[in-house]
Amino acid sequence: NAGVTQTPKFQVLKTGQSMTLQCAQDMNHNSMYWYRQDPGMGLRLIYYSASEGTTDKGEVPNGYNVSRLNKREFSLRLESAAPSQTSVYFCASRSSFSYEQYFGPGTRLTVT
Amino acid sequence: GQQLNQSPQSMFIQEGEDVSMNCTSSSIFNTWLWYKQDPGEGPVLLIALYKAGELTSNGRLTAQFGITRKDSFLNISASIPSDVGIYFCAGIQGAQKLVFGQGTRLTINP
Repeated sequence: NAGVTQTPKFQVLKTGQSMTLQCAQDMNHNSMYWYRQDPGMGLRLIYYSASEGTTDKGEVPNGYNVSRLNKREFSLRLESAAPSQTSVYFCASRSSFSYEQYFGPGTRLTVT
Repeated sequence: GQQLNQSPQSMFIQEGEDVSMNCTSSSIFNTWLWYKQDPGEGPVLLIALYKAGELTSNGRLTAQFGITRKDSFLNISASIPSDVGIYFCAGIQGAQKLVFGQGTRLTINP
């Protein structure tokens, strides 16, 4: 039981490049989330998916797109990376029976 | 966007000391969560609080859900080196969205 896994762990992009961050969970959770963490800011919600087939914007969605591929997987795409998107990105999941969210280990992204 | 006010932002203590930190908001939350983040890792859930006034313990950790539902407190007793990390409070409004505090960075001098 791996919990929430994320790939890659580290990534460096040039401005304007695109990439997709992958997230998978093996806990049979319905809800999945993408956050970014910047120094002194805590974690901020980018997008979430309450259930398979649905996605909604969070607090900071601009510059990102998401896909809920199936119940297990939720990907985050940067179509044209900008230096302001340099951050650590965390994926999380939650069961329908609890408010508690469980986090993956994070992806550290640098955009130059 | 809305954030919780978490204090202190950082703490430098001696091993064995007790630690207190808190989180306040201008909004009411129906659930409070406390997470710990180790360097290079994702946050790990420590304690969840579901009712106003609730006091919950997890080993040396004790957390309380404030009566007004606008604040929460976390205490760590007899700190040890592995307590080092960043502690985050998070409040839940509705079912889906967590709102996080800015974090309290705990450093322990042996």
